[in-house]
Amino acid sequence: QLQMQESGPGLIKPSETLSLTCTVSGGSISNSIYHWGWVRQAPGRGLEWIGSIDHSGKTNYNPSLKSRISISADAPTSHFYLTLTSVTAADTAIYYCARDLGGLGYYYLDVWGNGTRVTVAS
Amino acid sequence: SFDLTQPRSVSVALGQTAVIPCGGKNIGNKNVYWYLQRPGQAPVLVMYRDTIRPSGIPERFSGSNSENTATLTISRAQVEDEADYYCQVWDTTTVFGGGTHLTVL
Repeated sequence: QLQMQESGPGLIKPSETLSLTCTVSGGSISNSIYHWGWVRQAPGRGLEWIGSIDHSGKTNYNPSLKSRISISADAPTSHFYLTLTSVTAADTAIYYCARDLGGLGYYYLDVWGNGTRVTVAS
Repeated sequence: SFDLTQPRSVSVALGQTAVIPCGGKNIGNKNVYWYLQRPGQAPVLVMYRDTIRPSGIPERFSGSNSENTATLTISRAQVEDEADYYCQVWDTTTVFGGGTHLTVL
Protein backbone atom coordinates (compact mmCIF):
# COMPACT_ATOMS: atom_id res chain seq x y z
CA GLN A 1 0.00 0.00 0.00
CA LEU A 2 1.36 3.35 -1.03
CA GLN A 3 2.37 5.69 1.78
CA MET A 4 3.61 9.23 1.66
CA GLN A 5 5.45 11.21 4.29
CA GLU A 6 6.42 14.85 4.28
CA SER A 7 9.46 16.23 6.05
CA GLY A 8 10.75 19.73 6.51
CA PRO A 9 12.20 22.32 8.87
CA GLY A 10 9.13 23.12 10.95
CA LEU A 11 10.23 26.71 11.55
CA ILE A 12 11.71 29.05 9.00
CA LYS A 13 12.51 32.76 9.00
CA PRO A 14 10.90 35.31 6.71
CA SER A 15 12.65 35.78 3.35
CA GLU A 16 14.30 32.36 3.57
CA THR A 17 13.75 29.44 1.21
CA LEU A 18 11.55 26.56 2.33
CA SER A 19 12.52 23.07 1.23
CA LEU A 20 10.23 20.12 1.80
CA THR A 21 10.64 16.47 0.94
CA CYS A 22 7.99 13.86 0.28
CA THR A 23 9.05 10.26 0.71
CA VAL A 24 6.96 7.74 -1.20
CA SER A 25 6.99 4.13 -0.08
CA GLY A 26 5.19 1.11 -1.48
CA GLY A 27 5.27 2.35 -5.05
CA SER A 28 7.33 3.99 -7.75
CA ILE A 29 7.11 7.66 -8.67
CA SER A 30 8.20 6.66 -12.18
CA ASN A 31 4.77 5.25 -12.97
CA SER A 32 3.31 7.34 -15.80
CA ILE A 33 -0.21 7.02 -14.41
CA TYR A 34 0.56 9.30 -11.52
CA HIS A 35 1.59 12.83 -10.88
CA TRP A 36 2.96 13.92 -7.54
CA GLY A 37 1.68 17.03 -5.92
CA TRP A 38 1.76 19.46 -3.05
CA VAL A 39 -1.19 21.08 -1.27
CA ARG A 40 -1.10 23.42 1.68
CA GLN A 41 -3.55 24.62 4.31
CA ALA A 42 -3.03 27.79 6.27
CA PRO A 43 -4.34 27.82 9.84
CA GLY A 44 -8.12 27.86 9.85
CA ARG A 45 -8.25 28.05 6.07
CA GLY A 46 -9.08 25.77 3.16
CA LEU A 47 -6.94 23.68 0.86
CA GLU A 48 -4.65 25.39 -1.63
CA TRP A 49 -3.11 23.44 -4.48
CA ILE A 50 0.56 24.30 -4.94
CA GLY A 51 1.66 22.24 -7.92
CA SER A 52 2.62 18.84 -9.25
CA ILE A 53 5.21 16.94 -11.22
CA ASP A 54 4.81 14.00 -13.55
CA HIS A 55 7.04 11.01 -14.26
CA SER A 56 8.93 12.90 -16.99
CA GLY A 57 9.66 15.86 -14.75
CA LYS A 58 7.04 18.12 -16.29
CA THR A 59 5.63 20.48 -13.71
CA ASN A 60 2.39 22.39 -13.28
CA TYR A 61 2.16 25.20 -10.77
CA ASN A 62 -0.49 27.32 -9.12
CA PRO A 63 -0.27 30.63 -10.98
CA SER A 64 -0.43 32.55 -7.72
CA LEU A 65 2.74 30.84 -6.49
CA LYS A 66 4.51 30.11 -9.74
CA SER A 67 7.21 32.74 -9.38
CA ARG A 68 8.33 31.33 -6.03
CA ILE A 69 7.97 27.57 -6.29
CA SER A 70 9.83 24.68 -7.80
CA ILE A 71 8.91 21.00 -7.67
CA SER A 72 11.42 18.31 -8.52
CA ALA A 73 11.70 14.57 -8.14
CA ASP A 74 14.30 11.86 -7.69
CA ALA A 75 12.81 8.62 -8.98
CA PRO A 76 15.52 6.22 -7.77
CA THR A 77 14.98 7.33 -4.19
CA SER A 78 11.20 7.83 -4.53
CA HIS A 79 11.44 11.36 -3.23
CA PHE A 80 9.96 14.50 -4.59
CA TYR A 81 10.54 18.00 -3.39
CA LEU A 82 9.02 21.43 -2.97
CA THR A 83 11.04 24.61 -2.84
CA LEU A 84 9.36 27.89 -1.94
CA THR A 85 11.44 31.05 -1.98
CA SER A 86 11.09 34.36 -0.15
CA VAL A 87 8.67 33.02 2.43
CA THR A 88 6.48 35.29 4.53
CA ALA A 89 4.06 34.70 7.38
CA ALA A 90 1.40 34.03 4.75
CA ASP A 91 3.24 30.82 3.87
CA THR A 92 2.65 29.42 7.36
CA ALA A 93 0.62 26.27 6.77
CA ILE A 94 0.44 22.53 6.89
CA TYR A 95 1.99 21.21 3.70
CA TYR A 96 0.71 17.94 2.27
CA CYS A 97 2.15 15.81 -0.47
CA ALA A 98 -0.26 13.66 -2.43
CA ARG A 99 -0.56 11.32 -5.39
CA ASP A 100 -2.44 12.69 -8.37
CA LEU A 101 -4.15 10.60 -11.07
CA GLY A 102 -3.18 13.15 -13.69
CA GLY A 103 -1.49 10.59 -15.88
CA LEU A 104 -4.91 9.18 -16.64
CA GLY A 105 -6.33 12.58 -17.39
CA TYR A 106 -8.27 12.66 -14.14
CA TYR A 107 -6.62 15.15 -11.86
CA TYR A 108 -7.44 14.24 -8.32
CA LEU A 109 -5.56 13.27 -5.20
CA ASP A 110 -6.16 9.76 -3.97
CA VAL A 111 -3.34 9.24 -1.49
CA TRP A 112 -2.14 11.90 0.94
CA GLY A 113 0.65 12.23 3.43
CA ASN A 114 -0.13 13.27 7.00
CA GLY A 115 1.22 16.75 6.40
CA THR A 116 4.08 18.73 7.85
CA ARG A 117 3.54 21.97 9.72
CA VAL A 118 5.64 24.93 8.62
CA THR A 119 5.75 28.16 10.58
CA VAL A 120 7.34 31.30 9.19
CA ALA A 121 8.52 33.52 12.02
CA SER A 122 11.57 35.46 13.03
CA SER B 1 -8.88 30.47 -12.59
CA PHE B 2 -12.07 28.48 -12.18
CA ASP B 3 -14.11 29.53 -9.17
CA LEU B 4 -15.81 26.99 -6.94
CA THR B 5 -18.34 28.18 -4.38
CA GLN B 6 -19.28 26.21 -1.29
CA PRO B 7 -21.38 27.27 1.71
CA ARG B 8 -19.28 27.77 4.82
CA SER B 9 -21.42 25.40 6.83
CA VAL B 10 -24.22 22.87 6.58
CA SER B 11 -26.08 21.23 9.44
CA VAL B 12 -27.95 17.94 9.46
CA ALA B 13 -29.78 16.00 12.11
CA LEU B 14 -28.39 12.63 13.02
CA GLY B 15 -29.75 10.02 10.65
CA GLN B 16 -31.03 12.54 8.13
CA THR B 17 -29.68 13.50 4.71
CA ALA B 18 -27.01 16.15 4.25
CA VAL B 19 -26.59 17.94 0.94
CA ILE B 20 -23.38 19.84 0.26
CA PRO B 21 -23.38 21.93 -2.91
CA CYS B 22 -20.43 23.11 -4.97
CA GLY B 23 -21.15 25.83 -7.49
CA GLY B 24 -19.20 26.72 -10.59
CA LYS B 25 -19.93 28.00 -14.06
CA ASN B 26 -20.88 25.01 -16.20
CA ILE B 27 -19.35 22.71 -13.62
CA GLY B 28 -21.50 19.99 -15.11
CA ASN B 29 -18.98 19.83 -17.95
CA LYS B 30 -16.16 18.95 -15.57
CA ASN B 31 -15.24 16.03 -13.37
CA VAL B 32 -15.78 16.90 -9.74
CA TYR B 33 -13.98 15.35 -6.81
CA TRP B 34 -14.81 15.50 -3.11
CA TYR B 35 -12.68 15.20 0.00
CA LEU B 36 -13.50 15.12 3.66
CA GLN B 37 -11.13 16.37 6.31
CA ARG B 38 -11.54 15.70 9.99
CA PRO B 39 -9.80 17.98 12.50
CA GLY B 40 -6.08 17.42 12.62
CA GLN B 41 -6.13 14.90 9.81
CA ALA B 42 -5.22 14.86 6.15
CA PRO B 43 -7.98 15.06 3.54
CA VAL B 44 -9.55 11.84 2.33
CA LEU B 45 -11.02 11.31 -1.12
CA VAL B 46 -14.70 10.39 -0.83
CA MET B 47 -15.94 10.81 -4.40
CA TYR B 48 -14.32 10.98 -7.81
CA ARG B 49 -15.52 11.68 -11.33
CA ASP B 50 -18.74 13.09 -9.90
CA THR B 51 -20.36 9.87 -8.70
CA ILE B 52 -17.79 7.17 -7.97
CA ARG B 53 -17.01 6.16 -4.41
CA PRO B 54 -13.49 4.99 -3.65
CA SER B 55 -13.11 1.67 -1.91
CA GLY B 56 -13.94 1.96 1.76
CA ILE B 57 -16.28 4.92 1.48
CA PRO B 58 -19.77 4.06 2.74
CA GLU B 59 -22.62 3.74 0.28
CA ARG B 60 -24.33 6.55 2.22
CA PHE B 61 -22.12 8.92 0.23
CA SER B 62 -23.28 9.82 -3.25
CA GLY B 63 -22.54 12.53 -5.76
CA SER B 64 -24.12 14.30 -8.67
CA ASN B 65 -23.14 17.04 -11.07
CA SER B 66 -25.25 19.04 -13.47
CA GLU B 67 -25.20 22.43 -15.05
CA ASN B 68 -23.79 24.86 -12.47
CA THR B 69 -23.86 22.76 -9.31
CA ALA B 70 -22.20 19.58 -8.12
CA THR B 71 -23.56 17.97 -4.99
CA LEU B 72 -22.29 15.59 -2.36
CA THR B 73 -25.12 13.85 -0.54
CA ILE B 74 -24.71 11.98 2.70
CA SER B 75 -27.66 9.81 3.64
CA ARG B 76 -28.34 8.69 7.19
CA ALA B 77 -25.73 11.08 8.51
CA GLN B 78 -23.58 9.78 11.33
CA VAL B 79 -21.53 11.56 13.97
CA GLU B 80 -18.34 10.51 12.21
CA ASP B 81 -19.45 12.37 9.07
CA GLU B 82 -18.92 15.67 10.86
CA ALA B 83 -15.96 17.16 8.99
CA ASP B 84 -14.93 19.74 6.44
CA TYR B 85 -15.79 18.84 2.86
CA TYR B 86 -14.00 20.21 -0.18
CA CYS B 87 -14.96 19.95 -3.81
CA GLN B 88 -12.26 20.05 -6.48
CA VAL B 89 -12.01 20.30 -10.24
CA TRP B 90 -9.21 20.53 -12.75
CA ASP B 91 -9.08 23.52 -15.06
CA THR B 92 -5.48 23.47 -16.34
CA THR B 93 -4.61 23.49 -12.66
CA THR B 94 -6.23 21.88 -9.67
CA VAL B 95 -8.80 24.07 -7.95
CA PHE B 96 -10.44 23.53 -4.58
CA GLY B 97 -13.64 25.00 -3.28
CA GLY B 98 -13.47 26.93 -0.05
CA GLY B 99 -14.81 24.05 1.99
CA THR B 100 -18.02 23.32 3.89
CA HIS B 101 -18.14 22.36 7.53
CA LEU B 102 -20.78 19.71 8.13
CA THR B 103 -22.28 19.64 11.61
CA VAL B 104 -24.26 16.57 12.63
CA LEU B 105 -26.76 17.57 15.30
